[in-house]
Amino acid sequence: EDKVVQSPLSLVVHEGDTVTLNCSYEVTNFRSLLWYKQEKKAPTFLFMLTSSGIEKKSGRLSSILDKKELFSILNITATQTGDSAIYLCAATGGNDMRFGAGTRLTVKP
Amino acid sequence: NAGVTQTPKFQVLKTGQSMTLQCAQDMNHEYMSWYRQDPGMGLRLIHYSVGAGITDQGEVPNGYNVSRSTTEDFPLRLLSAAPSQTSVYFCASSYRTRADTQYFGPGTRLTVL
Repeated sequence: EDKVVQSPLSLVVHEGDTVTLNCSYEVTNFRSLLWYKQEKKAPTFLFMLTSSGIEKKSGRLSSILDKKELFSILNITATQTGDSAIYLCAATGGNDMRFGAGTRLTVKP
Repeated sequence: NAGVTQTPKFQVLKTGQSMTLQCAQDMNHEYMSWYRQDPGMGLRLIHYSVGAGITDQGEVPNGYNVSRSTTEDFPLRLLSAAPSQTSVYFCASSYRTRADTQYFGPGTRLTVL
């Protein structure tokens, strides 16, 4: 059965720390891995990854995909309190998309 | 563009009541879907539609109905609400398939007493 597993489930850090969020997947006919950030309301799109080893970067956030080992990581450097959110990853295969349970990140001042 | 809109934002129902959650998008997306989000379980797909007149079941369809009479609208109906349906409901749309980048509505927080 297709599944997406995120770790850790929750994480508490202080401003300025660097964090790494993990996402492993088993999805039939894998196409892409997506990361979303969810604050108080709807998830908002961060990255879509389709190729191994190519880092995608947006400001302090970056992500990379390893299609051989079936995982992705999301890095956030110099964290700020505004980074506090649930981070969701989702893997697509064929015409399907499966979400992980999310990692709740709390950044303390 | 308003993107994906949902109403209401909050709703409290009694067990056995029925209601409809509204969802609309103005991006001319073919694909629309409904998810529920429960603590520790991520987003689970309830129903989806690949175009007007076409709907199908997702991972957790029991107790819910959908219809898609237009490209823009995709309402979700709770037939006889149960406490197990207490959740946050998100509508999403994407260009053509679920594998395309999905855009989410703001969500409806539903409590069933």
